[in-house]
Amino acid sequence: SYVLTQPPSVSVAPGETATITCERKTAGSYSVQWYQQKPGQAPVLVIYSYSDRPSGIPERFSGSNSGNTATLTISRVEAGDEADYYCQVWDTSTYHFVFGSGTKVTVL
Amino acid sequence: QVQLEESGGGVVQPGRSLRLSCTASGFIFRNFAIHWVRQAPGKGLEWVTVIWYDGSVKFFADSVKGRFTISRDNSKNTVILQMNSLRVEDTAVYYCARDHNGDGLGYFDYWGHGALVTVSS
Repeated sequence: SYVLTQPPSVSVAPGETATITCERKTAGSYSVQWYQQKPGQAPVLVIYSYSDRPSGIPERFSGSNSGNTATLTISRVEAGDEADYYCQVWDTSTYHFVFGSGTKVTVL
Repeated sequence: QVQLEESGGGVVQPGRSLRLSCTASGFIFRNFAIHWVRQAPGKGLEWVTVIWYDGSVKFFADSVKGRFTISRDNSKNTVILQMNSLRVEDTAVYYCARDHNGDGLGYFDYWGHGALVTVSS
């Protein structure tokens, strides 16, 4: 099955930059999306198609891709950015959707 | 504004059935695919199933294939997740989510607040 690998946790000081990676170990997927989930809340889409940002998402959130690794970057981190972040792809071979295991971002 | 609301969650014994509903508003429901995504307590997100805009195509995760079914009524803006032969490991918060596309090959741009399903004897 398709596997997406994320670091379990990232810690960052306010005002600094948080970087979260998502490694795809298998070929055959479309673009990568990123979701933010705060405790007790539903996930929110923050990046789609590797680097596009939905309306209402701050410009501080950006996405990129190089080879088999997608990256979510949060610039000028704020306390309110503390959350779990999940990457997601669509597996073209099975028509299934796959999430990474999630990365907990802690703001120091 | 786009809204999705799940209902029907609760406590059920292993082997029994439960039906979840997802009712949508604020957009042209018949144009979009709808997914179910679940999250076990303290765990990550797991995609469960999708139904395309017209109900013609459905896909299921291997973990629920043969036990769960999905249907939609575009006249009522509703999607139904029928869960049969429930297992303890099906315990989770179940979210319905709208696909950006009608064909269910996009991404999840809007989510409901979730419904808790607890499978326990």
